[in-house]
Amino acid sequence: IAGITQAPTSQILAAGRRMTLRCTQDMRHNAMYWYRQDLGLGLRLIHYSNTAGTTGKGEVPDGYSVSRANTDDFPLTLASAVPSQTSVYFCASSVEETGGTDTQYFGPGTRLTVL
Amino acid sequence: GQNIDQPTEMTATEGAIVQINCTYQTSGFNGLFWYQQHAGEAPTFLSYNVLDGLEEKGRFSSFLSRSKGYSYLLLKELQMKDSASYLCAVRDSNYQLIWGAGTKLIIKP
Repeated sequence: IAGITQAPTSQILAAGRRMTLRCTQDMRHNAMYWYRQDLGLGLRLIHYSNTAGTTGKGEVPDGYSVSRANTDDFPLTLASAVPSQTSVYFCASSVEETGGTDTQYFGPGTRLTVL
Repeated sequence: GQNIDQPTEMTATEGAIVQINCTYQTSGFNGLFWYQQHAGEAPTFLSYNVLDGLEEKGRFSSFLSRSKGYSYLLLKELQMKDSASYLCAVRDSNYQLIWGAGTKLIIKP
């Protein structure tokens, strides 16, 4: 693996179902992020984690949960999917260096459709 | 509230120069980023500005004026592969990135 991987690539889901989007990075980055991207809107932060064992809420956290059991993995769970959660979901990671560039690197995305 | 404004779409000719503007109003400022995103792909990092002035990186340059809340991305010698969306993002006082909706750049031969 090189960089960030996400799975699945795409998914069609019935409303009310539970779904976990997976994200794994092999860059030993401390910080990880989940964004959603909708047409006409900027990327919006759902949840983030500055280091393993800690998580925080972003701009649009409702209906989503995350965990960070180790450095590499940062799964995003939709407990009961609704059609408004139809979107493209990007996972990203960064070194987490306050005061530095701390560039975020993105995974390839998961296209989720909730019917 | 926090706001990042960019033009929705721009068109330019292969070989020409194009300037994509970004204005921002955020709670705090800890740097401004430009990313490129091809259709159906992930955003990729282009440039970072934290001090006023111009940062040049090959055919791409990025300018920042913190007092004006303004940045631009300058693309020279445009190539067809530069057709993409360009995303402006500002890191706020909480060290979170606030993203613009992106500018779709169409390159014509």
